[in-house]
Amino acid sequence: AQTVTQSQPEMSVQEAETVTLSCTYDTSESDYYLFWYKQPPSRQMILVIRQEAYKQQNATENRFSVNFQKAAKSFSLKISDSQLGDAAMYFCAYRSGTLNQFYFGTGTSLTVIP
Amino acid sequence: EAQVTQNPRYLITVTGKKLTVTCSQNMNHEYMSWYRQDPGLGLRQIYYSMNVEVTDKGDVPEGYKVSRKEKRNFPLILESPSPNQTSLYFCASSFSVGEPLRYFGPGTRLTVT
Repeated sequence: AQTVTQSQPEMSVQEAETVTLSCTYDTSESDYYLFWYKQPPSRQMILVIRQEAYKQQNATENRFSVNFQKAAKSFSLKISDSQLGDAAMYFCAYRSGTLNQFYFGTGTSLTVIP
Repeated sequence: EAQVTQNPRYLITVTGKKLTVTCSQNMNHEYMSWYRQDPGLGLRQIYYSMNVEVTDKGDVPEGYKVSRKEKRNFPLILESPSPNQTSLYFCASSFSVGEPLRYFGPGTRLTVT
């Protein structure tokens, strides 16, 4: 089974500053997809951003961007101009391109300090 | 409104009493899946379904059953719940397996005593 590792259980950032959440994964596959999900206190899971492994260009969605390092099997999430509403648990996730299973990391709890 | 619904939202039960958590989506999605979320472990996939009558095991299927008789419904069945199945459960769906999981249910908090 693939593994997804988030080594930062908790992070904090000052409002309007930038923060980077780390994620590494282990796979022998060449075709796969990576995702970041946000889970606010409401517990609702929200897709933040996705990255296809075959794409070299890093994905960006407004204030959210990723740094995808395929050789290093690293997939970090950068949140720019942090807002109070960004406070949540963030999960990194992996999906195989050939199998149909999803693997999630253990999550990083982000606190935004006013 | 496009959504995934789960029922019940909260459930406290006793060991060995069979229960079913329902999951329904109104988007004609082919792919549906179940996850459990535990502190320090993140989300782990229990079962998934590619389409009607097609289901397969995820990472942690022991103690669970599923069925997919209709496209919109994907119930999770615990035939003999045990305390180690106390968890937060999520159902999720996507149009196809190739699409990202964008739609999650609100979660079901299950406590087995």
